Amino acid sequence: DGGITQSPKYLFRKEGQNVTLSCEQNLNHDAMYWYRQDPGQGLRLIYYSQIVNDFQKGDIAEGYSVSREKKESFPLTVTSAQKNPTAFYLCASSIVGGLGYTFGSGTRLTVV
Amino acid sequence: QKEVEQDPGPLSVPEGAIVSLNCTYSNSAFQYFMWYRQYSRKGPELLMYTYSSGNKEDGRFTAQVDKSSKYISLFIRDSQPSDSATYLCAMSAHQAGTALIFGKGTTLSVSS
Repeated sequence: DGGITQSPKYLFRKEGQNVTLSCEQNLNHDAMYWYRQDPGQGLRLIYYSQIVNDFQKGDIAEGYSVSREKKESFPLTVTSAQKNPTAFYLCASSIVGGLGYTFGSGTRLTVV
Repeated sequence: QKEVEQDPGPLSVPEGAIVSLNCTYSNSAFQYFMWYRQYSRKGPELLMYTYSSGNKEDGRFTAQVDKSSKYISLFIRDSQPSDSATYLCAMSAHQAGTALIFGKGTTLSVSS
């Protein structure tokens, strides 16, 4: 079945450690996105990529980094520079020019 | 003023009620409008997609866009307990090249 897989579902890390969240899709979508969701904040865009080896910052990119070496994969690294990393992270994909995103099931990151 | 405003609720209704969910926006360039449904601890799923002004119906769901008032609505008829979820509005000015802007989401609870 086609879809987006985010792993792991739950992630715990100590403060000051970098952590990488995985996002893989087999929908043959060109565009991929990372959003952060906090209670009462809605979805806020971190990074997005329309094509391999290219990506753009979203509204809250500080403290995050991404790579897009393959069409299918768009991993997100939460660095120690991110001041408040505990959140629910959602990855999505779409065809370029398509706004009907397909979302993954999310990764809940807790930093202690 | 935020680009997209959405009352977070929570909204509680009895089974069978008609539900009205709304968003207002400030950017007059928005012309693509979507509604997503998100169940607890899951990724959002696309429910309705509308281009420009007008109405669109799909089963028990109707999406309305009033660009002159910068106001969009989602109506749910004959609401069911399975409709209990968070509903997110989303919009964009362009079909390609930009990511969606999301509202904060409205949490709906339908009691049987």
